[in-house]
Amino acid sequence: GNSVTQMEGPVTLSEEAFLTINCTYTATGYPSLFWYVQYPGEGLQLLLKATKADDKGSNKGFEATYRKETTSFHLEKGSVQVSDSAVYFCALSETGANNLFFGTGTRLTVIP
Amino acid sequence: DAGVTQSPTHLIKTRGQQVTLRCSPKSGHDTVSWYQQALGQGPQFIFQYYEEEERQRGNFPDRFSGHQFPNYSSELNVNALLLGDSALYLCASTWTSGYTGELFFGEGSRLTVL
Repeated sequence: GNSVTQMEGPVTLSEEAFLTINCTYTATGYPSLFWYVQYPGEGLQLLLKATKADDKGSNKGFEATYRKETTSFHLEKGSVQVSDSAVYFCALSETGANNLFFGTGTRLTVIP
Repeated sequence: DAGVTQSPTHLIKTRGQQVTLRCSPKSGHDTVSWYQQALGQGPQFIFQYYEEEERQRGNFPDRFSGHQFPNYSSELNVNALLLGDSALYLCASTWTSGYTGELFFGEGSRLTVL
């Protein structure tokens, strides 16, 4: 079956620190991989995506690379800001499908 | 351009009751999915509606049912509520023919079952 495992939070970082949130997946076939973010008081929104092996998704300074050999899609940012404080969800969808399997989420708090 | 809107925002029910949640998709979208997000967990797929029919379903009992209307809006119904149904219910929309991999989510309806 399909599943996504994320590193457990919460994660607390100082402003300008380096961020890594680990994500590994189990899937049949060749899934698409996503990072969604949930800011306080807002709905989930897509942060970045990758649809095939070795693709790198990037947005707002965040990056993640689709690694088929390690079944991973780790989220990174070189210098976090207070405004990055949110809950981050790793997710996958099967080829040709548009429903998502989510991880449990990682809460990030960035302190000034 | 309004995004995905859901109602009600919050509601409280007691065990055994029934609840109906509503969703209006983003303008131009024809596909609506529902997710359940328990506290501290990631969203779990309940089902998806397209062309007024249930197209896919996750691992949820028949107590969970839905409907899609000709204007693409959707309802989620839960019968015989259990304490474990307390969660944030999220609606997501997209358009099937132009799907780019992104779902657009509403802010959710928070259901508390006492």
